[in-house]
Amino acid sequence: DQQVKQNSPSLSVQEGRISILNCDYTNSMFDYFLWYKKYPAEGPTFLISISSIKDKNEDGRFTVFLNKSAKHLSLHIVPSQPGDSAVYFCAARVLVLTSGTYKYIFGTGTRLKVLA
Amino acid sequence: DAGITQSPRHKVTETGTPVTLRCHQTENHRYMYWYRQDPGHGLRLIHYSYGVKDTDKGEVSDGYSVSRSKTEDFLLTLESATSSQTSVYFCAIRPYSGEQYFGPGTRLTVT
Repeated sequence: DQQVKQNSPSLSVQEGRISILNCDYTNSMFDYFLWYKKYPAEGPTFLISISSIKDKNEDGRFTVFLNKSAKHLSLHIVPSQPGDSAVYFCAARVLVLTSGTYKYIFGTGTRLKVLA
Repeated sequence: DAGITQSPRHKVTETGTPVTLRCHQTENHRYMYWYRQDPGHGLRLIHYSYGVKDTDKGEVSDGYSVSRSKTEDFLLTLESATSSQTSVYFCAIRPYSGEQYFGPGTRLTVT
């Protein structure tokens, strides 16, 4: 069962416009959410995160919104740039009670293409 | 850079052979993770470690084992490789803050 879902495999946006990437989750025990960016032949790199007690976090051109009642988060990139073209993964963190540590569940990714 | 390396970076092996992938960190972080990335599946957790000799299973642990005998190294072993284990494998480390830092990946092909 896919606890973290990214239903859009790909997205194309014109340079300078807003990119909106979406992510849905099912587990109400997730307490922290993250977005990662991945270029081909490289490991994912951390982009931005949000705690479950907040509804918005902003870092430069990147803003993450969390709607807990809908179990939905989104990443907004404004303005979009060609260098933003990559695969974006959302991830959610959950506490493992037996070990007292956290594990992270990732979505399937959305490929963003920013057109010049 | 987060000080995390993976070796080998590429490997081709035959079905039924054992394979060990190595993740090495210079950050002295307690938490380490192994993921595999496959088209249509994103990143899936194989195993993780929360200290020396402390490991636990992830969502796709069947056919994999891990060991962590020292803080800096986290080994992933495929006891008898199968074609379904052809994938790109990523190791990640995590400080006490929430985000993970990923290595460059190992591309494994099982023929």
